[in-house]
Order: sequence, then structure tokens, then C-alpha cells
Amino acid sequence: DIQMTQSPSSLSASVGDRVTITCRASQTISSYLNWYQQKPGKAPNLLIYAKSRLQIGVPSRFSGTGSGTEFTLTIINLQPEDFATYYCQQTYGPPLTFGGGTKVEI
Amino acid sequence: EVQLVESGGGLVQPGGSLRLSCAASGFTFSNFWMSWVRQDPGKGLEWVANIKEDGSEINYRDSVKGRFTISRDNAKNSLYLQMNSLRVEDTAVYYCARDRDHAHGYWGQGTLVTVSS
Repeated sequence: DIQMTQSPSSLSASVGDRVTITCRASQTISSYLNWYQQKPGKAPNLLIYAKSRLQIGVPSRFSGTGSGTEFTLTIINLQPEDFATYYCQQTYGPPLTFGGGTKVEI
Repeated sequence: EVQLVESGGGLVQPGGSLRLSCAASGFTFSNFWMSWVRQDPGKGLEWVANIKEDGSEINYRDSVKGRFTISRDNAKNSLYLQMNSLRVEDTAVYYCARDRDHAHGYWGQGTLVTVSS
């Protein structure tokens, strides 16, 4: 199975900050990398798919980059509604696997 | 508006069975792969299984192979997960999700499955 390692597991930030979350795959996954946001008690919400494509309706302050085995989610100008947990996921092949999550806190 | 509504969760003893359902609306169900994803309360996400548009291709995570069966009824716009030989470690909120471009673009609200004696 492809292991997805996210870092950091949590971080503290302030409104207006730039935040970067990293996800590393145990093998190359091409561009089959997605990012999700989850708020407490809610289902996850797709932010970015195929490494860098913004899901419809997601603000442009979210962006994704990377290649091969290392990928990054960046949030610029952090907003109050962005405090949540973020997960990466590889869909290169089954089993599809998620990273352990990054909790973005105030 | 895309809607996915899960049902069928509940409390079951180890070794028992449950059948989860996911009712889809607001899109052409037969045009999309569908997935089940679960989340142990307070923990991370775990993909369980997926199924191709016409049901001709199915994938499972190893820990549920031989115990869980994913299926769909395109005439009823419904996705199912038959869960047998349930274990304590299967306790989780189970989400159904619509897949597109190799991502879970829409999710239901989830249904809680608790396996406990």
C-alpha cells in the first residue's frame, strides 16, 4: 500500500497568515493527489484534486503544488473559516490512502 | 443539487451484520464511480471500497475483503455496503462519496456504525 505522510500534524496560525502543509507519498503517485478540508462534525470537503486543480467553489487562496512523491497545500491570507483539519489522499491505485491529517488551529 | 444520504448505521455486536445504503439525487448516478470512506470518531479517514459506474469493477481495502460487499442499483440511484463479520475496529462513521477525476467530490453526511458487545 502507498503510505501518505503529512506534516505537521498540527499547527497554530493567525488570520492573515500563510500556511503550508506537506504530504509525502511512499512511492511516486504522478499527480493523483487530492486535498480535503474537514470541520468538526462535518463530512470532508474536496479542495484540490489532481495535485493542483481547484474544486469549483473553493477560494483561490488555496493552492496545491508538487510532483512525484512530495506535495504541498498552501493557504494564503488565512481566514477564520479555514481553521479545520486538512487531509491529503492519493488515488494512484487501490487501496486509496489518506494522510494522517493536519489540524490548523488559532 | 447533488445529495447523498446514508442510512442503515447502528449498534451491532461483534460478528454481526449491517447493510448501509446511500440514496443519491441531483445527478445522473449511473455516470459516476462511487466510494465508501469511513472515519473512526476523532481519528483520520480510511477509504473502504469503490465501484465503477456499471458495477463491473470493484476495489476493497484489505481489512474488509471477504467481509464487506459494495454494490449499486442504478435504477434506484442507490449505493450499498453489506458488512458481515463485523469487528470492533470497524466502528466508524461511514460516508458515501461521488467520485470524479479520481477524487471524492461530494460526500454524504455519514452514518455511524458501532460494533460493541
